[in-house]
Amino acid sequence: GAGVSQSPSNKVTEKGKDVELRCDPISGHTALYWYRQSLGQGLEFLIYFQGNSAPDKSGLPSDRFSAERTGGSVSTLTIQRTQQEDSAVYLCASSLVRAATTDTQYFGPGTRLTVL
Amino acid sequence: ELKVEQNPLFLSMQEGKNYTIYCNYSTTSDRLYWYRQDPGKSLESLFVLLSNGAVKQEGRLMASLDTKARLSTLHITAAVHDLSATYFCAVDINSGYALNFGKGTSLLVTP
Repeated sequence: GAGVSQSPSNKVTEKGKDVELRCDPISGHTALYWYRQSLGQGLEFLIYFQGNSAPDKSGLPSDRFSAERTGGSVSTLTIQRTQQEDSAVYLCASSLVRAATTDTQYFGPGTRLTVL
Repeated sequence: ELKVEQNPLFLSMQEGKNYTIYCNYSTTSDRLYWYRQDPGKSLESLFVLLSNGAVKQEGRLMASLDTKARLSTLHITAAVHDLSATYFCAVDINSGYALNFGKGTSLLVTP
């Protein structure tokens, strides 16, 4: 596709429910990133994929958060037993090649998650 | 712990004026990024600065990087309303992936 796409664009859920957020990176991009944007914390790095592997999961806030990537393309971020503090905009980004000196991360439109 | 500090956080300026946004970071890095975010929209890449002394310009925006001072600036020349947005700087501390963002500078350009 032309850019990074994410779905759903908005998600409202009740506390304690599980949610899945999806990201479709730019075709051909091998690296994929998840970030979270909230008023209190700003933009935070969550996890990074190179291909289907996630070498660094240290940004995930708790063990309720997990992510996977299949076929070197689509990624899903899953939040189990959602809490109100999980409310934020979840942004996905992709880049052509990790750590290339001129590489840029291209961001998707985000999923706004509201936990009631 | 890496800290990325932007100032000012809020900026209201008149059309036609010049101003500079500053981005300081606390750990050595030779890669710095500037992004723009319009309300309700995602992040748009503006500049990638890859070495000390790097300067890039696009339209009324010019970004520079001083790695020794750990400082980047985003200079706005003759501002126009269309530049109203939030501007973020981000630093890659040689991980090759995780960007550490500043809190953003919310810019409003008024007639």
